[in-house]
Amino acid sequence: GENVEQHPSTLSVQEGDSAVIKCTYSDSASNYFPWYKQELGKRPQLIIDIRSNVGEKKDQRIAVTLNKTAKHFSLHITETQPEDSAVYFCAASRNTGTASKLTFGTGTRLQVTL
Amino acid sequence: GAVVSQHPSRVICKSGTSVKIECRSLDFQATTMFWYRQFPKQSLMLMATSNEGSKATYEQGVEKDKFLINHASLTLSTLTVTSAHPEDSSFYICSVGTGADTQYFGPGTRLTVL
Repeated sequence: GENVEQHPSTLSVQEGDSAVIKCTYSDSASNYFPWYKQELGKRPQLIIDIRSNVGEKKDQRIAVTLNKTAKHFSLHITETQPEDSAVYFCAASRNTGTASKLTFGTGTRLQVTL
Repeated sequence: GAVVSQHPSRVICKSGTSVKIECRSLDFQATTMFWYRQFPKQSLMLMATSNEGSKATYEQGVEKDKFLINHASLTLSTLTVTSAHPEDSSFYICSVGTGADTQYFGPGTRLTVL
């Protein structure tokens, strides 16, 4: 089955700096890669996703890049703000035409300090 | 995205009792829902895929007789933890799978077994 590794496990940045979180996956057939943000005790919230037919996607301060050859994808957050502090999870799935199960990475705890 | 609710949000029960958790898709007809378990400071682990009108598909290592899943309608899936024990204490989260791969999560249920 799919295996997703995520690094780093913790990340501390100063407000205004950029944060980068990296994930690798094992199943070359995976073609959907979402990123979720989870605040303490809350549900994971989808912040951005990318499919294997594109290499990069951007939404305001958040961007995701995908390298299919190397089987890795990254989340980039620019101009970080204190409210970006949370745990971020990457995930991967293989589209089978119906709702597909996600395999999650181990999570990155991001702390944005003033 | 899909709006997903869960009930109850928190439950405390005695060891040996059964607990039922409901997951509702409020604005999307979900043929597929997913149940996850999340231990403190850990990632989301998929327990089972809930299919409307048919038996759930359980992940390896998840006891189907202990975690009973019923998905009788397009808007409701239930997870029953039977004969709960302290090691079953966890954060249980459901998600709704849309046809486009994206999953939207419920707010989670924190189960504490005394």
